[in-house]
Amino acid sequence: DAGVTQSPTHLIKTRGQQVTLRCSPKSGHDTVSWYQQALGQGPQFIFQYYEEEERQRGNFPDRFSGHQFPNYSSELNVNALLLGDSALYLCASSQPVGLYGYTFGSGTRLTVV
Amino acid sequence: AQRVTQPEKLLSVFKGAPVELKCNYSYSGSPELFWYVQYSRQRLQLLLRHISRESIKGFTADLNKGETSFHLKKPFAQEEDSAMYYCALVSNRDDKIIFGKGTRLHILP
Repeated sequence: DAGVTQSPTHLIKTRGQQVTLRCSPKSGHDTVSWYQQALGQGPQFIFQYYEEEERQRGNFPDRFSGHQFPNYSSELNVNALLLGDSALYLCASSQPVGLYGYTFGSGTRLTVV
Repeated sequence: AQRVTQPEKLLSVFKGAPVELKCNYSYSGSPELFWYVQYSRQRLQLLLRHISRESIKGFTADLNKGETSFHLKKPFAQEEDSAMYYCALVSNRDDKIIFGKGTRLHILP
């Protein structure tokens, strides 16, 4: 089992551009959550997807959107990139009730210049 | 407001000495608490969870509802324990994780 896989691993974008990050959950998991981790900070919850719908959302602007596909994989889209969007974006998968813990991917390092 | 506080950004401990990583939380309800660890160049991974009352790699954590704390402890530190440790809370209302800012544990030889 490859666990949670994320792509790409690194990405450099220019201010104002749009970016799509991808995540495949661990086998047997159907819930995907996305987190933003700025340097020196703990991960911040962006949103969570279950049954192809956004189930929960953190305090992130509408520029951040997502999608979940029937195979449970997920995408995170960020429009109109700002310099402050530079961070490590983590995907985590779990069973619907996350009390058994989340499995994290290695993350995508996004740099906005 | 739901919040997880880890007061120490960096904790340096000599090998063989006891370790205690502090975590306090603020939550109106019955949260589930976790500790996650991130070793150098590795992904974030679950270390232990309150509901299973387990001991992983010699670490334990006791939930103290009176003090709203979930401190992580190990009686004898090992060099391989050097890592970033995050305390996390999962709300049983909306099932999202709230992380603390993390504590970097540095084990001195």
